[in-house]
Amino acid sequence: DVVMTQTPPSLSVAIGQSVSISCKSSQSLVASDKNTYLNWLLQSPGRSPKRLIYQVSKLDSGVPDRFSGSGSEKDFTLKISRVEAEDLGVYYCLQGTHLPYTFGAGTKLELK
Amino acid sequence: EVQLVESGGGLVQPGRSLKLSCVASGFTFSNYGMNWIRQAPGKGLEWVAYISSGSSYIYYAETVKGRFTISRDNAKNTLYLQMTSLRSEDTALYYCARPIRGHWGQGVMVTVSS
Repeated sequence: DVVMTQTPPSLSVAIGQSVSISCKSSQSLVASDKNTYLNWLLQSPGRSPKRLIYQVSKLDSGVPDRFSGSGSEKDFTLKISRVEAEDLGVYYCLQGTHLPYTFGAGTKLELK
Repeated sequence: EVQLVESGGGLVQPGRSLKLSCVASGFTFSNYGMNWIRQAPGKGLEWVAYISSGSSYIYYAETVKGRFTISRDNAKNTLYLQMTSLRSEDTALYYCARPIRGHWGQGVMVTVSS
């Protein structure tokens, strides 16, 4: 199985601050169709996970452009510029290139 | 709008069985693979099982292999998870999902306890 190593496990931030979350995979996530199936999800308290970014850097509809994703092969980053209160929760990376799908352990974003 | 609605959860004793259902709408269910993903209280997300659109390909996490069975009824737009020999460590919120597409249900809670 592909292991997704996500860091840091938690972040304490002030509103308006920028943060980055890293996710590294144990295998290349480039699929046979040349796409890279790396998603970033946000789980707000008491809610189902919500996809923010798919295929490394594509923003879902309605996701503010304060969010950005980058990376390739085995090394990926989620950046949040100018954190707002609504951004708080747990962020997960998810690889969908190889079955079984695997998740990072999560990064809890909290207010300082 | 895609909707995934799970049901069938509850409190069950260790060693007993439970069957979860997920009714899908808003997309052509029969065209897509489906997954069960779970989240133990206070923990992260764990993929449990996958079934392809026509049920030809089925995969399980090692933690549930031999105890859980995923199935689907495309005529009823319904996904199932039959869980047997339940253990306390199976206690979790179970989501029906197409996670790569960003589609998740609201989850159904399964509690295994005597």
